[in-house]
Amino acid sequence: DIQMTQSPSSVSASLGDRVTITCRASQAISSWLAWYQQKPGQAPKLLIYAASTLQSGVPSRFSGSKSGTDFTLTISSLQPEDFATYYCQQAKSFPYTFGQGTKLETK
Amino acid sequence: QVQLQESGPGLVKPSQTLSLTCTVSGGSISSGSYHWSWIRQPAGKGLEWIGRIYPTGSTDYNPSLGSRVTISVDTSKNHFSLRLSSVTAADTAMFFCARMTPLGYFDSWGPGALVTVSS
Repeated sequence: DIQMTQSPSSVSASLGDRVTITCRASQAISSWLAWYQQKPGQAPKLLIYAASTLQSGVPSRFSGSKSGTDFTLTISSLQPEDFATYYCQQAKSFPYTFGQGTKLETK
Repeated sequence: QVQLQESGPGLVKPSQTLSLTCTVSGGSISSGSYHWSWIRQPAGKGLEWIGRIYPTGSTDYNPSLGSRVTISVDTSKNHFSLRLSSVTAADTAMFFCARMTPLGYFDSWGPGALVTVSS
């Protein structure tokens, strides 16, 4: 299985901050990567797919990038509704796997 | 806008079979090139993909669950189902159904169904 490792596991930030979350794949996955946001008691929500394509309706402050097997989710200016847990997911091969999650908390 | 809704017993006894159904509304389960998936999440933990089914009945499963998992589809009822046999307490989790795009991403999710395995 392809292992997805996210860092950090948690991050504290303030409104307006720029936040970066990283996901590393255990092997090459090209750009077969998605990012999800999950709030407590809710299902995950697709934010970005194909490493850098913004899902319809997702604010433009969210962006994704790729460098080798490292992927980055950036929130350019934190809004109150952005405090949540974020997961990456690889879609390169079965079984599809997720990162362990990064919890974004208010500082 | 497609919507998904999980349903099924919230409590299952150890060694028995967990059964859940996901009803799709706002669109046909047979339209487009979508697969339909189950994903689970133990409390406070991460997400685990269980498997997927195409409207034709073709399936793929996570090998970690071995032969315990079966996903089926009923296009006439616009729903798909999960069966997980020989459950233990380790199978206690929130179970989500989701639509999977042809690229392998989950773009629509049900709200989730909590299933507890306990005697």
